[in-house]
This record gives sequence, structure tokens and C-alpha cells, in this order.
Amino acid sequence: SQKIEQNSEALNIQEGKTATLTCNYTNYSPAYLQWYRQDPGRGPVFLLLIRENEKEKRKERLKVTFDTTLKQSLFHITASQPADSATYLCALSSGGSYIPTFGRGTSLIVHP
Amino acid sequence: EADIYQTPRYLVIGTGKKITLECSQTMGHDKMYWYQQDPGMELHLIHYSYGVNSTEKGDLSSESTVSRIRTEHFPLTLESARPSHTSQYLCASSGTGDLAKNIQYFGAGTRLSVL
Repeated sequence: SQKIEQNSEALNIQEGKTATLTCNYTNYSPAYLQWYRQDPGRGPVFLLLIRENEKEKRKERLKVTFDTTLKQSLFHITASQPADSATYLCALSSGGSYIPTFGRGTSLIVHP
Repeated sequence: EADIYQTPRYLVIGTGKKITLECSQTMGHDKMYWYQQDPGMELHLIHYSYGVNSTEKGDLSSESTVSRIRTEHFPLTLESARPSHTSQYLCASSGTGDLAKNIQYFGAGTRLSVL
């Protein structure tokens, strides 16, 4: 069955450092991969989308890579700030069904 | 901030009551979705709609029902609430186009507690 794996342990980093979150998937051939941010008690907020034929996407301090051979995406936040503390969800959708499947997310805690 | 609104934000209700969770979006999106999420867990799709008068069940079996009479409105109803329905319910919408239909815009959610 399709499976999305995100590190269940929280990632603790110091302000100013680069945070790197990982999303691995199995039994899936996604056409699109997305990253969302979710704050406690709130709905997810879309951050970035990358297509299967793209290696890297950037938006301000955010960078996403997508390696379909390794079946992995990396999500980087450079110059991290305490306000970046949240849970980050990876989501995959295929070309046929645009409805994404979400991972459980990884909690990021940025310490001042 | 996405223009998608859910009410109520919090609801505490007794077993056996009928409840309706409201969801409205002002973006003109044709596709709308309902997810259920427990703390620390994945979002599970329970219902979705391609447009007016279209509704489909999602991957997670749910005793709830939905309707889509207007493009902007996608309410979810539980005829008889039970403690097992206690969860966070998230409504989302997406637009048209190859990229846009893959991007979901979420409401703030309704936290439901059934006693």
C-alpha cells in the first residue's frame, strides 16, 4: 500500500540555522509533491508544490528538492526563526487523482 | 490567508445529537473536501465534491453525510453524534488547472467533542 514517511520525532534547531525535513514515500508514483505548514489547532497552509520533472523549487527562505529515484523530498528552511516553529506536512498527488495523500508531519521547534 | 471559513470552531455536544459543520469558500473553487484529523495523525479524507450536486465518499469510512447545493457551501452532517466522532474536522477547497487542482486551501477547522 502507499506509504508516506516523515520523521515522527520533533526537530529542534537553533535560530539562524537551516532546518531540513525529510519526506520518503513507497509504492507511489507521484506527479506532484507539496509541503504544508500546520500550526496547533489550525488547518494546514500550502507552502510549495514541486512537479516530478523538477529537481528543486525555491520560495524566499524555503527550498524543496524532489528525487523520484530515491523516492524522497527534502524541505529546507534557511535562517530559521522561532516563528517557523510548526508541523510541516508532506503531501503527494498523482497525475490521475489530484487529491493529495498527506503524511503525519514533522514538528519543527526553533529555539531563540 | 485562504478565504475558506468553518463554523463553529469548537463544539461540545452530547451523544445522539444531530450536528452540522459549516464550510464556505469565496474563491469560486469547484472542488471541496472534508478531512478528519486526530492529534499527531494524518489527515484522512472522508468526503469530497467535484462541483454542485456532486459528492463522493473518501478513503476513511464515515457516518457523516455531505451536500453541495451551492458552489461556495459544503456542509457536513452527523445525524447522531457518538464519542467515536470526537476529532478535528477540516474543510478544504482547490481550483482548476493542472497545478491549482493539486493545491488545497484549508479552513481553520472544527474541533468536535462528543460526550
